[in-house]
Amino acid sequence: TQLLEQSPQFLSIQEGENLTVYCNSSSVFSSLQWYRQEPGEGPVLLVTVVTGGEVKKLKRLTFQFGDARKDSSLHITAAQPGDTGLYLCAGAGNTGNQFYFGTGTSLTVIP
Amino acid sequence: DSGVTQTPKHLITATGQRVTLRCSPRSGDLSVYWYQQSLDQGLQFLIQYYNGEERAKGNILERFSAQQFPDLHSELNLSSLELGDSALYFCASSEGNWDTEAFFGQGTRLTVV
Repeated sequence: TQLLEQSPQFLSIQEGENLTVYCNSSSVFSSLQWYRQEPGEGPVLLVTVVTGGEVKKLKRLTFQFGDARKDSSLHITAAQPGDTGLYLCAGAGNTGNQFYFGTGTSLTVIP
Repeated sequence: DSGVTQTPKHLITATGQRVTLRCSPRSGDLSVYWYQQSLDQGLQFLIQYYNGEERAKGNILERFSAQQFPDLHSELNLSSLELGDSALYFCASSEGNWDTEAFFGQGTRLTVV
């Protein structure tokens, strides 16, 4: 099993603030995905990063894959209440036959 | 709406019983994945089928089994249920094998009493 630890576990911020969520592992992943899950729903894919050092931007969200492909971060600029949800990272195993999900970060953005 | 349909949405059953969860993948998707999500274990991969054949196994208990039918829908069978099996069970589907985008259903919330 390839473990992914996310931090912080819980985050509550005011609308308009910036935040960063981290996803760390001692294992190397061939690719890494970030999902957002809202209550009562399944996870929804936000982005996939595949190259060490890669940075992808999705409007106010910036995703970075670590150079060694062991860690990733998600930065949200000017958070909005609609960003509230559970953020999950998922790494593709070295054998390529499953994704290992992180422990999750529960984000609440207060209006 | 992801296009993945799971039934039932909620299920309450007693310990020792057996239940079947059903998943209809998005049209055209050949892969179906089953996940279990609980508060203490997070989202855990159980098993994957691709075009009717088992392709990958994760942390699936021997009491659990799954299959994918010729029309590509899938069922997850949970037997000899224990209190600890209470969780959200998600099905996801993707067009191809791993490393393609997977779409999750809304899940089945199983409560074992």
